[in-house]
Amino acid sequence: DARVTQTPRHKVTEMGQEVTMRCQPILGHNTVFWYRQTMMQGLELLAYFRNRAPLDDSGMPKDRFSAEMPDATLATLKIQPSEPRDSAVYFCASGLVWPLVPTQYFGPGTRLTVL
Amino acid sequence: KNEVEQSPQNLTAQEGEFITINCSYSVGISALHWLQQHPGGGIVSLFMLSSGKKKHGRLIATINIQEKHSSLHITASHPRDSAVYICAVGGAQKLVFGQGTRLTINP
Repeated sequence: DARVTQTPRHKVTEMGQEVTMRCQPILGHNTVFWYRQTMMQGLELLAYFRNRAPLDDSGMPKDRFSAEMPDATLATLKIQPSEPRDSAVYFCASGLVWPLVPTQYFGPGTRLTVL
Repeated sequence: KNEVEQSPQNLTAQEGEFITINCSYSVGISALHWLQQHPGGGIVSLFMLSSGKKKHGRLIATINIQEKHSSLHITASHPRDSAVYICAVGGAQKLVFGQGTRLTINP
């Protein structure tokens, strides 16, 4: 049963610390998305990759957020330095078909709390 | 005005009732998605559709491209259907999400 996995599932950190979230997409999927969910804003797209190349990261605060895909089995989202307003659930999703927006398979999310 | 509007925001019903959740959008799309988020937080893609109607078990999704409107129906609702249902529309590059509809089915 292929699934998207995310680590860690929960992260509590202090303001100013670096946070790294990891995602393993479903093997063979060529598109990876990072989303953030908050009570106020709902789900928002932060960045997405096609064949490991970043296609759109306009949803990310550039000064503190960065997203990469070092290889086809790993996507990372980093926040440095973290701020309390970054507290949210961060979801990774992967899909296969392009250019039609594919059916996306979501990971379980990383719940981040920045104190 | 949001690009994707869902209604109602909250819906409480009794087990067995027929449920309808609506989604209207203002942008051009290539596909519309219905997602389900359970109280535990996990998100599952229910449907992706670009025209007509799709059915999966007790769930039915319809879309009217001309009117820019989609509906998600649940027949014979059950407490396990309690979740947040999210509509998302896809353009050439990314998804835009509605705020979600919180559905509670009471036994």
